[in-house]
Amino acid sequence: EPEVTQTPSHQVTQMGQEVILRCVPISNHLYFYWYRQILGQKVEFLVSFYNNEISEKSEIFDDQFSVERPDGSNFTLKIRSTKLEDSAMYFCASSVTGQETQYFGPGTRLLVL
Amino acid sequence: QQQVKQSPQSLIVQKGGISIINCAYENTAFDYFPWYQQFPGKGPALLIAIRPDVSEKKEGRFTISFNKSAKQFSLHIMDSQPGDSATYFCAASTGRRALTFGSGTRLQVQP
Repeated sequence: EPEVTQTPSHQVTQMGQEVILRCVPISNHLYFYWYRQILGQKVEFLVSFYNNEISEKSEIFDDQFSVERPDGSNFTLKIRSTKLEDSAMYFCASSVTGQETQYFGPGTRLLVL
Repeated sequence: QQQVKQSPQSLIVQKGGISIINCAYENTAFDYFPWYQQFPGKGPALLIAIRPDVSEKKEGRFTISFNKSAKQFSLHIMDSQPGDSATYFCAASTGRRALTFGSGTRLQVQP
């Protein structure tokens, strides 16, 4: 069964450093998402992406964040200058048409020291 | 108005019992209501979903009950098993917009 994959599974970085989280969505899906989950809290939406542009973003997704689909398979989230409060599990998700099931990847656990 | 309120925060059920988790929303534009199951260290996985044109949907031991007028929906897990022990999130969305998640319910099914 096709699934969303994410790399790395864990990342530790120093405050102020740039990180890039990578995702490979399910191949025939057209809508891509990033969510994050701070430990013990609910899943929060960051950004959605369709047709090579951002279709929706939350207040969390400020100028420090960017997304890119550099090729036909990868979808990346970049955090330019990480802060302590960016420590969380980051989930990528994808959906065929955007109007139904979003399939989530296993997540990248980011720890900012 | 975008919030989805979920209760209880945690739930302990005996094996074979019924687990019930409730969610309430305010945004009447929401038109898709999924439930996700999450095991520790894993991503959320879709369990079952409903649209507001039906009041109930059943898949195996899992049932969603939907009350449009009350703006509430609930997940019922029949014959709960220890393997069902996980965190459950309700969510809601409008059209192609992002999911808004509830705060989660940690379910523990005791053998």
